[in-house]
Amino acid sequence: KQEVTQIPAALSVPEGENLVLNCSFTDSAIYNLQWFRQDPGKGLTSLLLIQSSQREQTSGRLNASLDKSSGRSTLYIAASQPGDSATYLCAALSGGSYIPTFGRGTSLIVHP
Amino acid sequence: NAGVTQTPKFRILKIGQSMTLQCTQDMNHNYMYWYRQDPGMGLKLIYYSVGAGITDKGEVPNGYNVSRSTTEDFPLRLELAAPSQTSVYFCASSYLGGSNQPQHFGDGTRLSIL
Repeated sequence: KQEVTQIPAALSVPEGENLVLNCSFTDSAIYNLQWFRQDPGKGLTSLLLIQSSQREQTSGRLNASLDKSSGRSTLYIAASQPGDSATYLCAALSGGSYIPTFGRGTSLIVHP
Repeated sequence: NAGVTQTPKFRILKIGQSMTLQCTQDMNHNYMYWYRQDPGMGLKLIYYSVGAGITDKGEVPNGYNVSRSTTEDFPLRLELAAPSQTSVYFCASSYLGGSNQPQHFGDGTRLSIL
């Protein structure tokens, strides 16, 4: 059974810092790894999806990498801003499954 | 583009009452999902559907029922509400569940059972 862990559970940084959020998974036979953002009281918004055959994806100040052999994905946020404050979740879709497995998320606060 | 729409946004129920949480999507997605999210516990899958007329249980199906008569709609029914069902419920959809297709989420229904 796939298990997904996100460390740290919470993070507080000053504005302008570059930061890395970590996501680890136990079954390396995945179809894709997706990163989401969740604002308080809102649903999840897809940020980046990395397919099994890819190593990374970029969108603006966000870069997500995938290393299947080590069971890890990282979300890199460059030049963080207060508007980046949210909870970030990752989800791994395993081979042969219709169901993504979610981590519990990292709660990020970027203070001015 | 409406995406995934959930209604109602908020609801308070008494113990033993029943209700249906509505979910509709306009993206012609064949995969749909219901999750519940409790503080600090992440997302738990309740039920999912891979197409009209096909549903299956997720991790925490007890106390819930679903139906999928059309591609667009995937309602979740609570028959006898219990305090343990107080949670935030999210509906999601994706196209084919394939490797390059992201999940899309609704804004959630916040349900309190008193």
